[in-house]
Formats: sequence, structure tokens, C-alpha cells
Amino acid sequence: EEQLVESGGGLVQPGGSLKLSCAASGFTFSAYWMHWVRQIPGKGLVWVARINTDGSIISYPDSVKGRFTISRDNAKNTLFLQMNSLRAEDTAVYYCVREILTSQGFWGQGTLVTVSS
Amino acid sequence: QSVLTQSPSASGTPGQSVTISCSGRSSNIGSHTVSWYQQLPGTAPKLLIYSDNQRPSGVPDRFSGSKSGTSASLAISGLQSEDEADYYCAAWEDSLIGPAFGGGTKLTVL
Repeated sequence: EEQLVESGGGLVQPGGSLKLSCAASGFTFSAYWMHWVRQIPGKGLVWVARINTDGSIISYPDSVKGRFTISRDNAKNTLFLQMNSLRAEDTAVYYCVREILTSQGFWGQGTLVTVSS
Repeated sequence: QSVLTQSPSASGTPGQSVTISCSGRSSNIGSHTVSWYQQLPGTAPKLLIYSDNQRPSGVPDRFSGSKSGTSASLAISGLQSEDEADYYCAAWEDSLIGPAFGGGTKLTVL
């Protein structure tokens, strides 16, 4: 069974840092582009970062560029999101996603990040 | 503001058909394929349609997608109570160098 399991969410103060992890199983993790997408509870979906199969191609929207870093460890089937200089507006559920725009689109259950003092 | 525009809500009665629309521009829908996701309450989004009109295995043929120019649509026929969910369109956005989503349409089955 294919699975994406996020972890690392929690409460952090403004200006703080947090590192999310996503453990993949049930499929060949190294063969797929991976993404992080966030959703403020009750609101829509917003793409946060993407990374290609070997980590050589990475991109972010301007809202997180310079603050967030996506990475992957194909040997450990794990995707990461390092989040620095966190702001209240970064509060959301963060989803680990395989291939958003192809037939292989598949989402984890998400992990909640709350930025508050 | 979402890059792709969806009506915030739609509704229908069991057995009816409903269409959800998604409007974009030449930099997204006009030149790239569209995917649709269904998000049931309290769960993660699930892929319904990819490449404008293709269904992954396991998705009922009651769900169909189409595209014309810079707009796309998701049609649901034979509406069922379990179809009550939020529906999101998605497409590549050239200026973002990444995928963009619609704001979502909340479907209510009356």
C-alpha cells in the first residue's frame, strides 16, 4: 500500500524554525517529483515547494523563497521541508505530495504547523 | 487570491448532475493540462481527474473533466451524498514555475 506520512509539525514562535519530514513507502520514491502543499484550515490549497527525482531541480513560490528549503533522501525514502523565519501566515496543514499534475498524484494526511507566540 | 478561479459553492440533489468550473489564463490552463482533486471533510485531497479528462483507476465514471481555451470543468452525474466535498482544480503556472490551484468549490448534496 502506498503511503506518505508527514511528521514534525507543531507549535513554534514567530521567527522560529521547524523541519518537516515525509516518509514514503509502497512505491519507488526515487522515481517521482515531490512537492509540499499547505492549507490553512478551512481555506484552499497553496503550493509551497517542489523537487525533482535527484534533488537537482528545486523551486518555490515567492512567499517562501529564501525561508523554506526542500530536500530529499532517496536512500531513506524521505522528503524534508526546512522552514526558517516562520511567520503567523505560515500557519497551516502541510501536505507531502507526489506528482501533483500527473496520473500519480497522491497526498499524505498532513501535519499541522502553528506559528504563534 | 488563487491563480485559478472557482465558484466557492455548488449544490445539487441526489441523482442530479452538477458542473464545477475553473477559470484561468494562457499561462496556466491555456497551455497546460488540468487536474481535479476531491477533498472529503477532514481528509487529504484525492486525485479525480488528470490531463484534462483522464480518470485514475478506481474513480467512478460519474466524474468527467473537460477543457476549452482557458477554462476547465468537472462534471459529476448521478450525484450521491458521498460526493459532498471540496473540489479543487490545478494546473501548471508558467510565472510560478510550479503548480497553481483554484480556490476550491464546496459541493453540497441537498
